[in-house]
Amino acid sequence: AAGVIQSPRHLIKEKRETATLKCYPIPRHDTVYWYQQGPGQDPQFLISFYEKMQSDKGSIPDRFSAQQFSDYHSELNMSSLELGDSALYFCASIRGGSDTQYFGPGTRLTVL
Amino acid sequence: AQTVTQSQPEMSVQEAETVTLSCTYDTSESDYYLFWYKQPPSRQMILVIRQEAYKQQNATENRFSVNFQKAAKSFSLKISDSQLGDAAMYFCASVIYNQGGKLIFGQGTELSVKP
Repeated sequence: AAGVIQSPRHLIKEKRETATLKCYPIPRHDTVYWYQQGPGQDPQFLISFYEKMQSDKGSIPDRFSAQQFSDYHSELNMSSLELGDSALYFCASIRGGSDTQYFGPGTRLTVL
Repeated sequence: AQTVTQSQPEMSVQEAETVTLSCTYDTSESDYYLFWYKQPPSRQMILVIRQEAYKQQNATENRFSVNFQKAAKSFSLKISDSQLGDAAMYFCASVIYNQGGKLIFGQGTELSVKP
């Protein structure tokens, strides 16, 4: 069965640089959630999209922005990167009316 | 506000034995879902089991079962016949879909399995 795809899987950036993370949901899934997991921490919700519209927002810094495109894939744009942004970023998708989110493998971002 | 608490940072079990991981949650909503996710060293988040709050019957998936005590707001995970591959971080999570549907996770329990 198709799973959630995230790219890239690993990303190394310097401070103050910009990063773009991509998420391709499971086919026919119309909702995407982004989570950030710092070292030794539980995942924290960042932002979500339903049918290409932002549906909820969590503790996402103003330096971050995201959108969902017409093919339902989503991108998380991160600017002015800080050392504290180093984390594992997960994307999860769900089909409207369902109750279980399926996670991608994550993108490991390292900011040097 | 939703909160999820896992009070056991680490647990250990002997291979083939049974272990129970604890989780408590707090919400004022009546319609919510509870999950256990497994995160092995690969860091992939893998769904283990799910429970609808409106169902009294405890969910079961092969060797994994839950003890859902709605009044006590408790949602423990029992792993029977533990296997070496069960070693991982386990996260308890709750979600309320009429409030955006974001998962709220507990702090996690690191499970080790001894051969």
